[in-house]
Amino acid sequence: TQLLEQSPQFLSIQEGENLTVYCNSSSVFSSLQWYRQEPGEGPVLLVTVVTGGEVKKLKRLTFQFGDARKDSSLHITAAQPGDTGLYLCASNAGGTSYGKLTFGQGTILTVHP
Amino acid sequence: ETGVTQSPTHLIKTRGQQVTLRCSSQSGHNTVSWYQQALGQGPQFIFQYYREEENGRGNFPPRFSGLQFPNYSSELNVNALELDDSALYLCASSFNVGGGLGYTFGSGTRLTVV
Repeated sequence: TQLLEQSPQFLSIQEGENLTVYCNSSSVFSSLQWYRQEPGEGPVLLVTVVTGGEVKKLKRLTFQFGDARKDSSLHITAAQPGDTGLYLCASNAGGTSYGKLTFGQGTILTVHP
Repeated sequence: ETGVTQSPTHLIKTRGQQVTLRCSSQSGHNTVSWYQQALGQGPQFIFQYYREEENGRGNFPPRFSGLQFPNYSSELNVNALELDDSALYLCASSFNVGGGLGYTFGSGTRLTVV
């Protein structure tokens, strides 16, 4: 079973600061997805990365996929209070569990005005 | 297009009871997955349904069961509720089994077992 480790678990920063969240696994990811979840809501897909070394940008968010496809990072530039939420990385298990998403434990981000 | 709709939004049940949670998939999606999310944790995969058949199951006991209907809506049934079943139950749909383009999640049903 593929395990995803996210770090840090908690992040509390001031508006305007930059931050990076990491997602690591001992196994190779077939693909990796990043989600953001707000209280009382379900996770919302931010991005899917597939190719090793891939970099995707979504406004102030930059997602990187490691060359070996065993790690990924999410970098937020000039964080805003609206970025507050639970950030989750997730990967398909592959094989006979093709449809199963395995999630990391999440990073709780709080951005203070 | 409509998103994923779950009902009810909140539910309180007594230990030992049975519960049914419902999910309407996003238009065009034929695959539905159910997840359990404990407070402060990432979601845990319960099972997935494709073409009305179970297509993969996580580490959950048989008292967790499901159904998918021809219109791709789905139900999650939990028998003999235990206190540890208290969690947010999420339904996610995708337009293929692998969900390679991502899953669309509903807002969840918050189940409290007392």
